[in-house]
Amino acid sequence: KNQVEQSPQSLIILEGKNCTLQCNYTVSPFSNLRWYKQDTGRGPVSLTIMTFSENTKSNGRYTATLDADTKQSSLHITASQLSDSASYICVVTFSGGYNKLIFGAGTRLAVHP
Amino acid sequence: DSGVTQTPKHLITATGQRVTLRCSPRSGDLSVYWYQQSLDQGLQFLIQYYNGEERAKGNILERFSAQQFPDLHSELNLSSLELGDSALYFCASTVGGGGNSPLHFGNGTRLTVT
Repeated sequence: KNQVEQSPQSLIILEGKNCTLQCNYTVSPFSNLRWYKQDTGRGPVSLTIMTFSENTKSNGRYTATLDADTKQSSLHITASQLSDSASYICVVTFSGGYNKLIFGAGTRLAVHP
Repeated sequence: DSGVTQTPKHLITATGQRVTLRCSPRSGDLSVYWYQQSLDQGLQFLIQYYNGEERAKGNILERFSAQQFPDLHSELNLSSLELGDSALYFCASTVGGGGNSPLHFGNGTRLTVT
């Protein structure tokens, strides 16, 4: 079954610290893996998109990595800010047949001063 | 600003009623997706349209229907509403039928069924 699992479910860190969020997936075949940031009550905003052949992609303080062999991805946030408090969603595009986006449940990050 | 416009922002209605949610995709985007997000839940895919045609269907109830018009805006119709239909409904658009194109989300319509 094509699934995307994220861990941890929630995380609290202090402002200025780094953190890493995990995404494991069983989607096959897949064409890309995306990370989104969703502020409470708002629509998700794209952070990164990586194709299956890419290992890493950065967007400012956000760096995503992808290991297609182990079917794992991580999102590393450097020097966290209060505005990083949000849910982070991992999405894998299933490419068997039509392109279907499979969403993880998200990791809720709270950055405290 | 993602360029995707959803109206209305908030909707409060009673059980048994019918509502229509509207989405205008980003300029140039041909695909429109609809998602439902219940409180503290992940995004659930409902349906996708590409250039006016239904492309894929997810966990969409029979009481729900959607369409994409020639000008590419889309409407999601929810009927015989139940309390459990209360949720945020998001529309997203992308230029192609999926693949590696970024997906741009609107800020959603918050539906409250009382």
